[in-house]
Amino acid sequence: EVQLLESGGGSVQPGGSLRLSCTTSGFTFNIYAMSWVRQAPGRGLEWVSGISAIDGRTYYTDSVKGRFIVSRDNSRNTLFLQMNTLRAEDRAIYYCAKMKWAQWLADFDYWGQGTLVTVSS
Amino acid sequence: DIQMTQSPSSLSASVGDRVTITCRASQSIRTYLNWYQQKPGKAPKLLIYAASSLQSGVPSRFSGSGSGTDFTLTISSLQPEDFATYYCQQSYSTPPTFGGGATVGIK
Repeated sequence: EVQLLESGGGSVQPGGSLRLSCTTSGFTFNIYAMSWVRQAPGRGLEWVSGISAIDGRTYYTDSVKGRFIVSRDNSRNTLFLQMNTLRAEDRAIYYCAKMKWAQWLADFDYWGQGTLVTVSS
Repeated sequence: DIQMTQSPSSLSASVGDRVTITCRASQSIRTYLNWYQQKPGKAPKLLIYAASSLQSGVPSRFSGSGSGTDFTLTISSLQPEDFATYYCQQSYSTPPTFGGGATVGIK
């Protein structure tokens, strides 16, 4: 059974940092691209960042470029999102999502339950 | 970025109804279109990928069609567990973008 479990969310002041983790099981982690997708309270889905399994190339939505860093540790089957210089508009539930293929880009075929990030003074 | 526009944004329907949701892309995305279902407080779930392929385990009452810029998600006979919000998403180019969602409520 494919499982993705996010952790690391919480409350932080504007300008602060958080590191999200997504621990996975039930599939061969190192052969699938992975992404982070967020959802602000009461709003729709927004893709944030992703990483290819083939070459480790990373991708970001414009609003987080230069502030967020996505990475993966294939030995630990874990995806990370380092979030720096957080802003109020980054407040959202952050979902880890497995992508259907190794290469970039594809649909998101499995999702974690999400972790809430709150940015407030 | 490719803009995805869904319509309607909400609808009311009864159990057994046939429900259709449309999604339009701002440029051709061939068949790189996916549909997700999200229930309150839950993560999204993939229903349809590549415009018309049914994800494993998804009931056959769900179907997708379209290519280019216009796509449709159809629920042939609405069931109580289908009341949810549905999102389309393009996987043609980066950034992958989602439609605004269509909420199916109980009439």
